[in-house]
Amino acid sequence: GENVEQHPSTLSVQEGDSAVIKCTYSDSASNYFPWYKQELGKRPQLIIDIRSNVGEKKDQRIAVTLNKTAKHFSLHITETQPEDSAVYFCAARYYGGSQGNLIFGKGTKLSVKP
Amino acid sequence: EAQVTQNPRYLITVTGKKLTVTCSQNMNHEYMSWYRQDPGLGLRQIYYSMNVEVTDKGDVPEGYKVSRKEKRNFPLILESPSPNQTSLYFCASRPSGTYEQFFGPGTRLTVL
Repeated sequence: GENVEQHPSTLSVQEGDSAVIKCTYSDSASNYFPWYKQELGKRPQLIIDIRSNVGEKKDQRIAVTLNKTAKHFSLHITETQPEDSAVYFCAARYYGGSQGNLIFGKGTKLSVKP
Repeated sequence: EAQVTQNPRYLITVTGKKLTVTCSQNMNHEYMSWYRQDPGLGLRQIYYSMNVEVTDKGDVPEGYKVSRKEKRNFPLILESPSPNQTSLYFCASRPSGTYEQFFGPGTRLTVL
């Protein structure tokens, strides 16, 4: 079936450093790639997304890049802060079903050390 | 306030005792989903609904039922819960034609 692989599963960085999380997807028809942040005990919340007609999107310290040819996309967080510590999930919209459901990666636990 | 709500938030039950987790959204969204979240496995879709009376299986539907009799509500039913259904469950909704999903606060279920 369709799959989204996410790496690394855990990531530890020093405050102020950059963090990069990478995902690959299998469905070449996928056209929407969101990233969700889940803080401990909270619900996942959308932090940024990108559509297939765009190669890069930025929102302050967060950016997402997409390489459709290679079927991978990445989340970049610059100048990390302790409040960036959370689990991050990538997802890809899968068109095998009737409504384009999201397939999620397994998550990356990011720890930002002060 | 626009939101997705779930009840209960926490539930401990025993094997075989039927239970229902409710989900409600006040945003008039057509599309609703149920996910389960397990350590190391991410979020996996159980069932989804495109509108009233229209539901379909996700990736892990075994042991679950859903119904969509009203647009705002999408309950998850476990007819005979088993310990492998111990998990964190999230309901989510989105309007048709858009992609962003809004998640509920989650329900932590433990089946003994």
